[in-house]
Amino acid sequence: GIQVEQSPPDLILQEGANSTLRCNFSDSVNNLQWFHQNPWGQLINLFYIPSGTKQNGRLSATTVATERYSLLYISSSQTTDSGVYFCAVSGSARQLTFGSGTQLTVLP
Amino acid sequence: EAQVTQNPRYLITVTGKKLTVTCSQNMNHEYMSWYRQDPGLGLRQIYYSMNVEVTDKGDVPEGYKVSRKEKRNFPLILESPSPNQTSLYFCASSLQADYGYTFGSGTRLTVV
Repeated sequence: GIQVEQSPPDLILQEGANSTLRCNFSDSVNNLQWFHQNPWGQLINLFYIPSGTKQNGRLSATTVATERYSLLYISSSQTTDSGVYFCAVSGSARQLTFGSGTQLTVLP
Repeated sequence: EAQVTQNPRYLITVTGKKLTVTCSQNMNHEYMSWYRQDPGLGLRQIYYSMNVEVTDKGDVPEGYKVSRKEKRNFPLILESPSPNQTSLYFCASSLQADYGYTFGSGTRLTVV
């Protein structure tokens, strides 16, 4: 199956800082999504982005499908951005495979 | 409000006592799936359903059953739960398999 690698595994930021999270995948994909798991365990869909660029407020994402990576940008981070960020992909098998996540801590 | 509803949120049960975790979505989505999340192992798919009466195994189906008799409901059944099924379970739905997923709030199951 498709392998998904996320980096960095852990990230600690001061409030107001910007950050970039990376997701590499091993094969062509039909589906790529970014999720945020908040400290209460809820999984929130941030972006559905198998290719191209999208923006939603302080968050944006870019997927370069031909080079098999996706980036999630967080600008002017806030403490409420803390949690784990997951990248998930699926290819021809249509099973969404999750990366191991980036644990983000934003300090006040 | 568009949502995926899982029940219960928390459950403690004993080994061997059959249980069902319910999942319902109000978005008329065709695709539904179940995941479990474990420390160090991440999120792994248990079963998925492409549409009514169409279900298939994910990566870790052993010990679980599902059914999809109606579009909106996709219950997860543990016929004889064991302690290794202690986990955080998520149900998800999507318009189709290759679209964005909406997750339920999770069910934290403990089997003693």
